[in-house]
Amino acid sequence: DTGVSQNPRHKITKRGQNVTFRCDPISEHNRLYWYRQTLGQGPEFLTYFQNEAQLEKSRLLSDRFSAERPKGSFSTLEIQRTEQGDSAMYLCASSRSGGGNQPQHFGDGTRLSIL
Amino acid sequence: KQEVTQIPAALSVPEGENLVLNCSFTDSAIYNLQWFRQDPGKGLTSLLLIQSSQREQTSGRLNASLDKSSGRSTLYIAASQPGDSATYLCAVPLGAGNMLTFGGGTRLMVKP
Repeated sequence: DTGVSQNPRHKITKRGQNVTFRCDPISEHNRLYWYRQTLGQGPEFLTYFQNEAQLEKSRLLSDRFSAERPKGSFSTLEIQRTEQGDSAMYLCASSRSGGGNQPQHFGDGTRLSIL
Repeated sequence: KQEVTQIPAALSVPEGENLVLNCSFTDSAIYNLQWFRQDPGKGLTSLLLIQSSQREQTSGRLNASLDKSSGRSTLYIAASQPGDSATYLCAVPLGAGNMLTFGGGTRLMVKP
């Protein structure tokens, strides 16, 4: 169990640029989640995958955001035409499926700063 | 819509004190409740998960309780240490995909 890995750890970019983040879940976990956390707040759910299928998207996920998990392993989250309000910590989590009592394990996040 | 609230938002205690962090939720139809720790600039570390059929879970100096009927959970930390300083978050799953709804967290500082 090597834990959930996220890259990059930090991303600084100018407003209007596109950015992409990567998440590598724990290998035997088939569920993968993306959350966003702003300073002083708890994380908010963005989207989740079971294997390669994206099964749920929050209304927070505007059409500038897209997430993929092409082979059911790693996932990417892309933000197009970034805005100041996109500045946040983007957290990835993974878990096993099967019942409602599987804990989610989080990565260290990618901190995005929009100049 | 599930809402999760944590009180207090911040807490400062001297080393060695026992302390209680509170978490409340509005919809009692939950599968479980999970407590996390977050250090500054880091991700979340899972501390305890209490299933809906359980009343409490213990891990070392941590004890979490769950009262579904009243919509409350507490995290008890015994003999606090400076290394316990962090933000503590509670979360409950929502929907078939178990997407987590988080409280705003309690920022704990334990002074030596």
